[in-house]
Amino acid sequence: QSVLTQPPSASGTPGHRVTISCSGSRSNIGSNTVNWYQQVPGTAPKLLIYGNDQRPSGVPDRFSGSKSGTSASLAISGLQSEDEADFYCATWDDSLNGRVFGGGTKLTVL
Amino acid sequence: EVQLVESGGGLVQPGGSLRLSCAASGFSFTNYYMTWVRQAPGKGLEWVANIKQDGSEKYFVDSVKGRFTISRDNAKNSLFLQMNNLRVEDTAVYYCAREAVYYDFWSAYSDSWGQGTLVTVSS
Repeated sequence: QSVLTQPPSASGTPGHRVTISCSGSRSNIGSNTVNWYQQVPGTAPKLLIYGNDQRPSGVPDRFSGSKSGTSASLAISGLQSEDEADFYCATWDDSLNGRVFGGGTKLTVL
Repeated sequence: EVQLVESGGGLVQPGGSLRLSCAASGFSFTNYYMTWVRQAPGKGLEWVANIKQDGSEKYFVDSVKGRFTISRDNAKNSLFLQMNNLRVEDTAVYYCAREAVYYDFWSAYSDSWGQGTLVTVSS
């Protein structure tokens, strides 16, 4: 079981908005910033969001992140077919003294 | 352009050893923490280890403590993962990644990734 809990799947239709949740605890999300990664199967992960809500250059503003207490969310608006991928949240866990990832959410664009 | 190229993966028997390498280019290697992340077949991402810029601080996931060692050669812009006493559950694609810092160590994130190298532990 992953320390951070994500729904295993999410789906949406093109042009619509979808959100992916990431639930943790006081020792991880509650104490540190959250990062999000996108991974198309068979390829390396790609940084999507860092510092809870910061987008690296080149990431469309359709992607946004937020954090509240011990939970974080990734929102994707204007859904496109190329957004189909696996999405992972990650942060540092003070109790484990290590990085932790969520179990991943597979996004399907219907 | 940042480039990270892993090598050294392969098939090894349980209890065996393997040394992974990651060749870095396109950035000032000595300025960055580096990390290893693995992904078992069909599974999610799992962080394995981090190493500070000068190698003075290292962190490991509990499941590899005492078996894996992370090191770096800043003169050769290279990162290494020495894996001993390998287990079947260590089978995974191993990625090296560069760590950028948002405002402190605990806010770090992996902003560039290699293509990964496959390690298969099987008899």
